Amino acid sequence: DQQVKQNSPSLSVQEGRISILNCDYTNSMFDYFLWYKKYPAEGPTFLISISSIKDKNEDGRFTVFLNKSAKHLSLHIVPSQPGDSAVYFCAASPPTGTASKLTFGTGTRLQVTL
Amino acid sequence: KAGVTQTPRYLIKTRGQQVTLSCSPISGHRSVSWYQQTPGQGLQFLFEYFSETQRNKGNFPGRFSGRQFSNSRSEMNVSTLELGDSALYLCASSLLSGPVEQFFGPGTRLTVL
Repeated sequence: DQQVKQNSPSLSVQEGRISILNCDYTNSMFDYFLWYKKYPAEGPTFLISISSIKDKNEDGRFTVFLNKSAKHLSLHIVPSQPGDSAVYFCAASPPTGTASKLTFGTGTRLQVTL
Repeated sequence: KAGVTQTPRYLIKTRGQQVTLSCSPISGHRSVSWYQQTPGQGLQFLFEYFSETQRNKGNFPGRFSGRQFSNSRSEMNVSTLELGDSALYLCASSLLSGPVEQFFGPGTRLTVL
């Protein structure tokens, strides 16, 4: 049972435009959400996170939006740069007081073209 | 501040052997989690250690085990290796246990022949 889903396996965006990566989850107990970027043969790199008490969090070119009622989150990258080309994973964490256990989506491969 | 380090980076074993992987967390981080990444199953949680105690375990057989030392360094052991254990094994550390950012190491690529 895939509790975190990224339905788009790949996305191609022109340099300078906006990249929007989507993620859906089914477990309403998830309380904290994270986005990671991953290059081949490397570990995931943390990008940005959001708590369920917020609906938006920004960090430079990266913004994450959370819609709890729809169980949906998205990552916006503006403007997109060629160095952003990588696989992006969303991850969800259970609430405070529990152990650290991230449930990952299957990833979306982003290609930023010139 | 140094990041999460994992050793070895690459490992080749044969079926039936056992293997031990090592992880050194970021200085000051007390929680270490392990994940397995395969093309078919994606990134899956193996277990988490916090203050030398296992706090949570994923849905993996008992052949997969781990431990954490007093300096927060962690080891993961897989016994009686199977072909399907070939994967990238990732270690992540965080300051605390719970819903916080986890920072990943580069991983150990295990190949079972």
